[in-house]
Amino acid sequence: SAVISQKPSRDICQRGTSLTIQCQVDSQVTMMFWYRQQPGQSLTLIATANQGSEATYESGFVIDKFPISRPNLTFSTLTVSNMSPEDSSIYLCSGSSGTNEQFFGPGTRLTVL
Amino acid sequence: QKEVEQDPGPLSVPEGAIVSLNCTYSNSAFQYFMWYRQYSRKGPELLMYTYSSGNKEDGRFTAQVDKSSKYISLFIRDSQPSDSATYLCASWAGNKLTFGGGTRVLVKP
Repeated sequence: SAVISQKPSRDICQRGTSLTIQCQVDSQVTMMFWYRQQPGQSLTLIATANQGSEATYESGFVIDKFPISRPNLTFSTLTVSNMSPEDSSIYLCSGSSGTNEQFFGPGTRLTVL
Repeated sequence: QKEVEQDPGPLSVPEGAIVSLNCTYSNSAFQYFMWYRQYSRKGPELLMYTYSSGNKEDGRFTAQVDKSSKYISLFIRDSQPSDSATYLCASWAGNKLTFGGGTRVLVKP
């Protein structure tokens, strides 16, 4: 199984600012994903991070709000842009090595004031 | 209707009891089925991963899939207080996972 780390683990941000979350995998993975989890809720897929090309976004999520980079097979970033209190959530990164088993990072707990 | 439905619980059982968790799904394209365990303030941890209908055992955990009725189950034998967590079922199709809402489980000593 892959070990996934995220930075920062938590942050408190002001309305209108942006935050970039980093995701590092300890081995090469075929696919990387970004999810959002509201407190007490399940996971909602934001996008699939594609290496060397634009991310694939799910319905309701757009690149201008959640730009994603994936420069190689072990690293990805998610930026939450122009934040509002509604963006307060846990953001999770996951990776899959092609067997459909996905492993998750510990999450980034974001609070927007 | 959500593609993967799961009773939110909470499900409270005494230590040593069998925990029975269930999900139903509606999308026939789902091919792979997973169970994740999530402790408070942690990321989901993959417990079981199955493809075909039938049972799969791993220690105290048994995953069951019935594709004809679109029903997946997880059983935890000899439950321990450390099993107290939220359990999420998930199904894979089209290069993405779809999660159920999660069931909160509390195992009381």
